[in-house]
Amino acid sequence: DAGITQSPRHKVTETGTPVTLRCHQTENHRYMYWYRQDPGHGLRLIHYSYGVKDTDKGEVSDGYSVSRSKTEDFLLTLESATSSQTSVYFCAISKGLAGESDTQYFGPGTRLTVL
Amino acid sequence: AQKITQTQPGMFVQEKEAVTLDCTYDTSDPSYGLFWYKQPSSGEMIFLIYQGSYDQQNATEGRYSLNFQKARKSANLVISASQLGDSAMYFCAMRGGSSASKIIFGSGTRLSIRP
Repeated sequence: DAGITQSPRHKVTETGTPVTLRCHQTENHRYMYWYRQDPGHGLRLIHYSYGVKDTDKGEVSDGYSVSRSKTEDFLLTLESATSSQTSVYFCAISKGLAGESDTQYFGPGTRLTVL
Repeated sequence: AQKITQTQPGMFVQEKEAVTLDCTYDTSDPSYGLFWYKQPSSGEMIFLIYQGSYDQQNATEGRYSLNFQKARKSANLVISASQLGDSAMYFCAMRGGSSASKIIFGSGTRLSIRP
């Protein structure tokens, strides 16, 4: 199994508060991703990173920011959490192979509830 | 635009029977990859199998095989001799060659194995 951890695993917060989720990998993979999972939507990409300090937006990036200061860590920040951001958040990593064969491996997920 | 469709929200199958989970896709990329993931009730996302668009043979991994019909744009997952532990959500996903960093997911199929 890929060495990916997420912290915290569960969090309850209030609307308007900032929240930071952490993803840590021990695989030295180049790419890291943040997804959210909601019923009926599968997984949707929020942001991804293709190297230290190199990030880009996914399909549902509004209200989220990310940072990657080290290869092994990828942080997702909700600047001012809203109830619509209640979800399960998954981090994923991949080697960054050229072409379409690059497989993503997922962390255990973080369940976030915004009251 | 790329799209993944899983038309079976839920399925029930008797233990030891084979089961086919449907997945159709749409892409204009000549080169793409197709993935299947399993999500048990514990929540983690487990990579099962990968099929490249130029692969001549259907992918197989143990009891999992991918029935790839390129002309019909389908990539169905076949699980042989189902086991109780196969009960889970299953997601089909696709990566296009022109957007090598991004995977899109279908909405999933919930498979329940009856003893």
